[in-house]
Amino acid sequence: DTEVTQTPKHLVMGMTNKKSLKCEQHMGHRAMYWYKQKAKKPPELMFVYSYEKLSINESVPSRFSPECPNSSLLNLHLHALQPEDSALYLCASSRQGIKGTEAFFGQGTRLTVV
Amino acid sequence: AQKITQTQPGMFVQEKEAVTLDCTYDTSDQSYGLFWYKQPSSGEMIFLIYQGSYDEQNATEGRYSLNFQKARKSANLVISASQLGDSAMYFCAMRELNKLVFGAGTILRVKS
Repeated sequence: DTEVTQTPKHLVMGMTNKKSLKCEQHMGHRAMYWYKQKAKKPPELMFVYSYEKLSINESVPSRFSPECPNSSLLNLHLHALQPEDSALYLCASSRQGIKGTEAFFGQGTRLTVV
Repeated sequence: AQKITQTQPGMFVQEKEAVTLDCTYDTSDQSYGLFWYKQPSSGEMIFLIYQGSYDEQNATEGRYSLNFQKARKSANLVISASQLGDSAMYFCAMRELNKLVFGAGTILRVKS
């Protein structure tokens, strides 16, 4: 099983809403990532979790709040977003450290902020 | 800081022919990994192939091979016998420790 599952696939939310994106993997990977991708652009790294602890935050605004409840789950809590936050949000997981040769992505959540 | 450069915004290839997508990288680390991903219009990021900085052999996965030239810091993807389903965006990425960073991408169009 090389699957990373993201839910929901599509999300429309207002600027005053609170919503969460969910990511799950069962490959035993101990590094998990959130990326944001705008149309026709490469994915931009937002957060990295390593052994369930936040190891990298790429200066992401506080309206995005990540959470890693256990080694299989990664959440991204959204609050008071702006229309420019509309994008494809991708979750990925990999083996820990440089010896990992796998890095798999979920299908993404297409977020629209209205 | 690591940097990935893909200089070909778009490429065309005739069906059944081979195509090379270019990728150069810049890093001061000795240990790193290089990845290629395919992203169709559906948005899914599909892992294609991996090359470790200490691997002496070029990686191959079916119709995909990675032409790794460490001294030139290049990691080009070669797709043999192109198929219509290969039409997509292709990203080169590099990982140092747990930071995976992407190049700008190349849009590949396969013509029948």
